[in-house]
Parts: sequence; structure tokens; C-alpha cells
Amino acid sequence: AQKVTQAQTEISVVEKEDVTLDCVYETRDTTYYLFWYKQPPSGELVFLIRRNSFDEQNEISGRYSWNFQKSTSSFNFTITASQVVDSAVYFCALSEEARAQKLAFGQGTRLTINP
Amino acid sequence: DVKVTQSSRYLVKRTGEKVFLECVQDMDHENMFWYRQDPGLGLRLIYFSYDVKMKEKGDIPEGYSVSREKKERFSLILESASTNQTSMYLCASSLTGGYSPLHFGNGTRLTVT
Repeated sequence: AQKVTQAQTEISVVEKEDVTLDCVYETRDTTYYLFWYKQPPSGELVFLIRRNSFDEQNEISGRYSWNFQKSTSSFNFTITASQVVDSAVYFCALSEEARAQKLAFGQGTRLTINP
Repeated sequence: DVKVTQSSRYLVKRTGEKVFLECVQDMDHENMFWYRQDPGLGLRLIYFSYDVKMKEKGDIPEGYSVSREKKERFSLILESASTNQTSMYLCASSLTGGYSPLHFGNGTRLTVT
């Protein structure tokens, strides 16, 4: 069974600090996709990134970066120079080939950026 | 931009009532989903539909049913609401073809008293 663990329930940092959100997953499939979603206070989850199991290149998008390591089954998310607008709940999710349309979500990490 | 609209932001219902949660998407997506969000549990899939009148159970379908009579609309039905169904309900849609990102509505917070 697929499983996603976000061990950090809540993180609180001061603005401009860097922060890393951890995500560890379990799967027996060799083909799978990993996702990150952001849920701001408005409630609507917003897609941030998708990464397939064959592409271990790290990705950077502005202040956001993602580190995918199959050896440790992790897909961590780093925000550099955090801003108050980054405050949200962040979810990591896994989609296996056999359950392609059915994402398994982690518990979520509530990130608070204090001014 | 894809728009997924959930008919109610907040609902309060009594135990035993039949409850309908409605969701409409405007981007002609084949797939639609209902998730439930609870603190410490993340999002859990209740039901999934990949076409009109087609549905599949998710991880926690007990106590729920769904209806998809038109492509753009996906309804979640609580046949007899119970207090343990108090939760945030999130609707989502996506294109077909596996691994497509989900587009979410902003949720319905249901309280069953």
C-alpha cells in the first residue's frame, strides 16, 4: 500500500529564514509520481509540483526548490527567504501506477511565517 | 483557469439527515474526486469518477454515495449523516491520462450535530 509521511505537523519561522518541509513515502511500484500542494487559509489546495520516479533531478522555481532522493524515499521541499504569504498547510502526495488517479496524501505540515 | 466550485462553504446538519454536497467544474475534466480532510489525517479519498455515471470507491467510502449525471457535476451524498462525518470536504477534478494534477474547490465545512 502506498503511504506518505510528513513528520512535521507544524513549523514556525521568522520571515526571511529558509525552511524545509520533509516528505517520506513508501511504495512497491517502480513507476510513481510525487506531488506537492499548498493550502492557503482560503482553503483551496493549489498544485505546486509533480515529479516522476525516473527523474531525480532537483528542481528550483524561484524561492522554491525540491529535492527528490529515491535512495531515502524522500521528496523534500525548501522555501528560501520565506515570506508571510508562504504561510499555509503543505501536502505531499503519491500516485502509484496501479492507482494512477488516486493520490495518497500525507498528513500535511502547517507552516507559519512570522513577520 | 480551471474553476471548481463547491455549492456551500459551510453546512450544519442534524444527525440522520440526508446531505448533498455539490461540485461543479468548468474545464471539461473527465475525472472528479471527493476527499475528506481531517486534522492529522491529511486528505482521504472517498469516491472518484472517471466518466459520467462511472464511479469508483476510494479509501473511505462507507456512509457515502456519489452521483455523476453530467460531466461537469459530481455530488457527494451522505445518506444518513452522523457526527463522525463532521469534516472538511474537498472536491477536485483533473484531466484523464494518469498523474494529472488535481484542481480543487475551496471546500465545504460540514458540521453534523
